[in-house]
Amino acid sequence: AQKITQTQPGMFVQEKEAVTLDCTYDTSDPSYGLFWYKQPSSGEMIFLIYQGSYDQQNATEGRYSLNFQKARKSANLVISASQLGDSAMYFCAMRPLRTGNQFYFGTGTSLTVIP
Amino acid sequence: EAGVTQFPSHSVIEKGQTVTLRCDPISGHDNLYWYRRVMGKEIKFLLHFVKESKQDESGMPNNRFLAERTGGTYSTLKVQPAELEDSGVYFCASSPRGQAHSGANVLTFGAGSRLTVL
Repeated sequence: AQKITQTQPGMFVQEKEAVTLDCTYDTSDPSYGLFWYKQPSSGEMIFLIYQGSYDQQNATEGRYSLNFQKARKSANLVISASQLGDSAMYFCAMRPLRTGNQFYFGTGTSLTVIP
Repeated sequence: EAGVTQFPSHSVIEKGQTVTLRCDPISGHDNLYWYRRVMGKEIKFLLHFVKESKQDESGMPNNRFLAERTGGTYSTLKVQPAELEDSGVYFCASSPRGQAHSGANVLTFGAGSRLTVL
């Protein structure tokens, strides 16, 4: 079974602090991609970062980094130096490569950055 | 380039009525996906087009849902007749040809169409 779990429905972080959004996944597919998307109040889903299951290093994109722990099946998103504009819903997603083209999403985490 | 455009942004209808949602993918993107998020739940896959062909429609809930992509450009998702449980946000996403089987298949999403069935 393919499943993404985000256990934090809501998170708060002080501006300029770092925050970690949790994501665990379950798949029997040995090859998969892990993604994080941001959904601000405007509604559009914005791609943030990607990690391949065979990538040796953790992915980084600017202030975003993905803490990939394969053995624990976790793919936490770390946002450094939080900004007010980071307030949004964040979705973790997984795409198994051998079992079709579906993306599997978690239920999302609502992040609020406090000034 | 223009992003993925969805219309309407919000639709409120009564149970039993029909609604048609439209998605205009990024120009040239062969892959088009529909997803749905029911309030508080995860975003779930509905179906995947490659150009005008349905590649995978395993996520379509039932035969009240009909998706089309005539000519391989824009797509419509019709719900007929709508039921209360159809309420949610319907997302469309697209990606270029060849990326469907790539690990880094990044989907570009639209802002979604919020459907409320009363």
